[in-house]
Amino acid sequence: DAKTTQPNSMESNEEEPVHLPCNHSTISGTDYIHWYRQLPSQGPEYVIHGLTSNVNNRMASLAIAEDRKSSTLILHRATLRDAAVYYCILRDIPNAGKSTFGDGTTLTVKP
Amino acid sequence: EAGVVQSPRYKIIEKKQPVAFWCNPISGHNTLYWYLQNLGQGPELLIRYENEEAVDDSQLPKDRFSAERLKGVDSTLKIQPAELGDSAVYLCASSLGSWGTDTQYFGPGTRLTVL
Repeated sequence: DAKTTQPNSMESNEEEPVHLPCNHSTISGTDYIHWYRQLPSQGPEYVIHGLTSNVNNRMASLAIAEDRKSSTLILHRATLRDAAVYYCILRDIPNAGKSTFGDGTTLTVKP
Repeated sequence: EAGVVQSPRYKIIEKKQPVAFWCNPISGHNTLYWYLQNLGQGPELLIRYENEEAVDDSQLPKDRFSAERLKGVDSTLKIQPAELGDSAVYLCASSLGSWGTDTQYFGPGTRLTVL
């Protein structure tokens, strides 16, 4: 399975943008890039996903590199409620269902 | 719409005792997952069901773990006997299917403590 690499932790100030990077250099052409986040004492929740083009939704934006070997989750204005562990995972079509979670990035938001 | 329901939320047992976790996925979701999450780590897939069929159970320790998904809806994960190292959070998730575009919806998890 293609793996992802994320920094262990990042810090941000409240109301400022946050860019969370993810490397996936062995990504295949059919892998979708998904981002989930996990708040304390909760199960992970879906944030956003994409294949090749950048994506926006009400929670965040996803910027995908042209060669698809990396992506960046963008939180436009971080709030204290965005403090969580963020996971970048790949979901493949041919063997869909295999979502290998790494240890994610722990985002701390400072007031 | 109700989310993924898991019970119990917390369970404390002594080692060598059996334990079972129950999961009710989102209505209409064909795919169901059980994950194990150790403290400070990401979820690890134990088993994935497509309807009633377990299609990926390669990471399930079959000597002590078992799972079933009767009628392709609810699912139960069992450990017998439990060991100290089984203390973790057990997460259930469901999705419409297993395609790359399908979003997984997670339950709150069951936190197991083995004494």
